[in-house]
Amino acid sequence: GAVVSQHPSRVICKSGTSVKIECRSLDFQATTMFWYRQFPKQSLMLMATSNEGSKATYEQGVEKDKFLINHASLTLSTLTVTSAHPEDSSFYICSARDDRASGYTFGSGTRLTVV
Amino acid sequence: AQSVTQPDIHITVSEGASLELRCNYSYGATPYLFWYVQSPGQGLQLLLKYFSGDTLVQGIKGFEAEFKRSQSSFNLRKPSVHWSDAAEYFCAVGEGGDYKLSFGAGTTVTVRA
Repeated sequence: GAVVSQHPSRVICKSGTSVKIECRSLDFQATTMFWYRQFPKQSLMLMATSNEGSKATYEQGVEKDKFLINHASLTLSTLTVTSAHPEDSSFYICSARDDRASGYTFGSGTRLTVV
Repeated sequence: AQSVTQPDIHITVSEGASLELRCNYSYGATPYLFWYVQSPGQGLQLLLKYFSGDTLVQGIKGFEAEFKRSQSSFNLRKPSVHWSDAAEYFCAVGEGGDYKLSFGAGTTVTVRA
């Protein structure tokens, strides 16, 4: 089946630094990938839609200069949290849309802690 | 815009008992509907999906769901739960050309021995 690899699974960084999270589709091409944020005991909130070769589309209220998304190839999208602050601490999950199967495969998530 | 409602925040069931998780959606066109399961600190695993056709959908791990257009519902069921079914369950609706997913708030399932 379709597999999406997300790295790192867990990262701790200092306030003011930047963190990059990778989302890679291993056995299929993903024209579209999605980035979600999940707070404890809550649902997933869509942050942005990442399209290969074009700019990401951000949801209302999401700062595009803070959450930089790059989808440079059909198998890789990255989310960079710039100048991270403690309030950015959260669980970030990516998903990739498998065009062949009309489905979505999720990564295993990244737990970001900003200290 | 579509919305997804999962009325039950937390459900506790005995092992071997049946389970039903409710999901209601609001969407103008024919929706793409999904159920996902999430274990603590993990990503989401697809249980089943409905795009069209037979309204009773079979999924993995013994789960099934029924699409009822008249009730705008897509409830998830399992005849006999196992302790390993304890997790968070999310209903989701997909829309649009890029098929963005909107998730319900989730239902936490606890299984007691």
